[in-house]
Amino acid sequence: GAVVSQHPSWVICKSGTSVKIECRSLDFQATTMFWYRQFPKQSLMLMATSNEGSKATYEQGVEKDKFLINHASLTLSTLTVTSAHPEDSSFYICSASGGRAGGLYEQYFGPGTRLTVT
Amino acid sequence: DAKTTQPNSMESNEEEPVHLPCNHSTISGTDYIHWYRQLPSQGPEYVIHGLTSNVNNRMASLAIAEDRKSSTLILHRATLRDAAVYYCILTNFGNEKLTFGTGTRLTIIP
Repeated sequence: GAVVSQHPSWVICKSGTSVKIECRSLDFQATTMFWYRQFPKQSLMLMATSNEGSKATYEQGVEKDKFLINHASLTLSTLTVTSAHPEDSSFYICSASGGRAGGLYEQYFGPGTRLTVT
Repeated sequence: DAKTTQPNSMESNEEEPVHLPCNHSTISGTDYIHWYRQLPSQGPEYVIHGLTSNVNNRMASLAIAEDRKSSTLILHRATLRDAAVYYCILTNFGNEKLTFGTGTRLTIIP
């Protein structure tokens, strides 16, 4: 199956600093990438959808100025958490869609990035 | 997208079959049924999907009720590696978004 990588796999940062997380589709071109956040013992929550070359679409309640998403190429999307605070500590997961396959979109997930803000 | 209902948790013995149920009584005719699973501290992985007919792949089987208001994911011979949270998700034709519910936490007993 298709492979999606994330970097870093974990990061610890100080409150008030910014952190960038990369999501790469390694063996296919991803027309759409999704960013999710998952708190301990909870399910995944979709944060935003990004399409290559256009602005991301954020889900209701997600601050677009705090969670900056850039989808500069068909294989790379980045999520920057700006001015991070302890409440932003979470497991961030990206997924990539390679486009339609018989009417269905196939999504492939990255391994996740664990962010801890101190 | 229509909502799904799954049991919070299930247990199964190793090397036995596991039947994970999912109710989706408000499913529409163009909704696909997807199953993903998430192993601890990992991103989700695709398991199987279907529309109307039962489906088999190397990982599992998907049995869809005739009225499509419920489905069952079948793991034919559970291993310890199958311990995960299993999510049943509906997506409408042309909609890429996956809305994750709470899923079923499957525990495999050695």
